[in-house]
Amino acid sequence: GAGVSQSPSNKVTEKGKDVELRCDPISGHTALYWYRQSLGQGLEFLIYFQGNSAPDKSGLPSDRFSAERTGGSVSTLTIQRTQQEDSAVYLCASSPGGQRGGYTFGSGTRLTVV
Amino acid sequence: AQRVTQPEKLLSVFKGAPVELKCNYSYSGSPELFWYVQYSRQRLQLLLRHISRESIKGFTADLNKGETSFHLKKPFAQEEDSAMYYCALRGEKLVFGKGMKLTVNP
Repeated sequence: GAGVSQSPSNKVTEKGKDVELRCDPISGHTALYWYRQSLGQGLEFLIYFQGNSAPDKSGLPSDRFSAERTGGSVSTLTIQRTQQEDSAVYLCASSPGGQRGGYTFGSGTRLTVV
Repeated sequence: AQRVTQPEKLLSVFKGAPVELKCNYSYSGSPELFWYVQYSRQRLQLLLRHISRESIKGFTADLNKGETSFHLKKPFAQEEDSAMYYCALRGEKLVFGKGMKLTVNP
């Protein structure tokens, strides 16, 4: 597609359930980032991929969070046993990689844990 | 380690006033700095990057390596500039500051 696509746009889930968030980057973009945006906290880095590998997972808040990327394209961020503090907007961005180009962001998934 | 600091969370000015949004960074290597903007109910978008040395929507930012700063400036703010502004640093990865909300009043 022309832009970065994220689904679902909104997700309400019960505490303790697992959720999967999806990111479809711009075709050909090798770098893919996940961020968490919450009020007063700005954009918190979670993880990034270069191709299918994740050189830096340091931002994942706990072992309940995991992410994968297949075929150098779509990425899924999985949150297991969700907690109320996981409620936030999860943003995905992609980039051509290397030092070329800026980053294009998706519109995000708003996750609400009740 | 990479770090971006935006010391002010809120800035409110009147239309036509100058604005300066501060950004300081910490990085041992050669940094690449960006400013991103998020208007109400829109997605985050690139405003400008230091290597382009462009002026976008009247905004400019100069990288000062001595002061490790990349402040965003506009001489005459407009109401449509009201938004969240994020400074970002690309080193090994892309990290953001906590953002600043700019409100331009009529």
